[in-house]
Amino acid sequence: NAGVTQTPKFRVLKTGQSMTLLCAQDMNHEYMYWYRQDPGMGLRLIHYSVGEGTTAKGEVPDGYNVSRLKKQNFLLGLESAAPSQTSVYFCASSYLPGGGTDTQYFGPGTRLTVL
Amino acid sequence: DAKTTQPPSMDCAEGRAANLPCNHSTISGNEYVYWYRQIHSQGPQYIIHGLKNNETNEMASLIITEDRKSSTLILPHATLRDTAVYYCIVRPSIYNQGGKLIFGQGTELSVKP
Repeated sequence: NAGVTQTPKFRVLKTGQSMTLLCAQDMNHEYMYWYRQDPGMGLRLIHYSVGEGTTAKGEVPDGYNVSRLKKQNFLLGLESAAPSQTSVYFCASSYLPGGGTDTQYFGPGTRLTVL
Repeated sequence: DAKTTQPPSMDCAEGRAANLPCNHSTISGNEYVYWYRQIHSQGPQYIIHGLKNNETNEMASLIITEDRKSSTLILPHATLRDTAVYYCIVRPSIYNQGGKLIFGQGTELSVKP
């Protein structure tokens, strides 16, 4: 049981380049999330998904797109990278037990630098 | 904006209890108090959560005041591996907002030998 995995672990991009970050979970969770964390800051939600084929915007969605074609995967895309998107990106997943509360399980993060 | 207030940093001696306070004076009746921690740039880790009653698990205890305006996370016997940033998060039932977590600045706990 690998939990939540993220690919790649590190990446350096030039301004204007595109890339896709992959998040995979093997816990059969319905909910998945993408966060970013800038130095010295807490995490901020970019996009999230409450099920296969559905996505929604979080706090800071501009410049990012997402897709959830398979329940176990959640992709985060940067179409035209900007230096302001230099950050550490975390993916998380959760399920919905009875009672309306959940626990989010986080991946190890992807460190992205945009030059 | 985060709905919680935490001290930016705290120290604790190894083996002693670490008591991390959190103020959430505007908490609503259907909102839970969650605690996560982040160890040196790793992904955050869930610790515990509660609504009204005090809660305890294998990692920690959560004490919520009767008026629910503040809470304290207690690590009963802190070790060096508990050095981390601890986040107190208030959020409604997942049914209402899709499970989003709003992270504030957290408390940086340093456990010292």
